[in-house]
Amino acid sequence: GQQLNQSPQSMFIQEGEDVSMNCTSSSIFNTWLWYKQDPGEGPVLLIALYKAGELTSNGRLTAQFGITRKDSFLNISASIPSDVGIYFCAGFSNSGYALNFGKGTSLLVTP
Amino acid sequence: SQTIHQWPATLVQPVGSPLSLECTVEGTSNPNLYWYRQAAGRGLQLLFYSVGIGQISSEVPQNLSASRPQDRQFILSSKKLLLSDSGFYLCAWSLRWGPDTQYFGPGTRLTVL
Repeated sequence: GQQLNQSPQSMFIQEGEDVSMNCTSSSIFNTWLWYKQDPGEGPVLLIALYKAGELTSNGRLTAQFGITRKDSFLNISASIPSDVGIYFCAGFSNSGYALNFGKGTSLLVTP
Repeated sequence: SQTIHQWPATLVQPVGSPLSLECTVEGTSNPNLYWYRQAAGRGLQLLFYSVGIGQISSEVPQNLSASRPQDRQFILSSKKLLLSDSGFYLCAWSLRWGPDTQYFGPGTRLTVL
C-alpha cells in the first residue's frame, strides 16, 4: 500500500485551543477519510472527502481535500477534553483498492 | 442503521492454542468485510478482505486465516497462535468495493502468552 505521512505525531494543548493536523501521500488519492480512535475502541469515522478542494465540516471539525490530491487537513476548533484520542487519516489512491492509513496523531487536551 | 459487532472484546491465549474471532454486521446485505491488525495503538495493517460468501483474499502471509460462512459473518482463525499474533484486531465493512468509506467494529484485544 501507499505510505501516508501524518503530522504531527502528537499534540499536547490546552482546552479552547484550535488544532491542525495533516496527511500527505506520494501519489494522487481519490478519497480521504479522517477517523478518531479512543483507547481500546475501534476507529470512528469523522469526515469523508471525495473531491479535490472539498471542504467539509462536522461540528467543530473541518477537513479539506487538498487541491494537489496528495494531501488532506483536519482542523479542530475550540478543543475540549473529550477530543482526546488518536486521529487517523486514511485514503484510497488511484492505483489501489486498499485503504491506506497514516500512523496517527495523538491529541491530549488539558482542562 | 448498520451496526458491526466483534466478539470477544478481550482474549488471553497461550502460545500454540487455536483462535477464533467473530465479526458480524447488521442492517446491510452483501457488505465487503475486512480484518485489520493494529499494533501498539497505531498503524492499521490489512490482513484479509472478503467481497462475498466464501471469498477471502489475504494481504499478508501469516499464521492466520479468515472465513466468511454467512453473508454478514467474518471469522479470523488460527490453528496455533504465536507470540507475535498479539495485538488489537479490528473488523470493518463497506458497501462498495474499492474507494468507499469503511466502518470499524469495536475491536478485540488479543494477548498471546
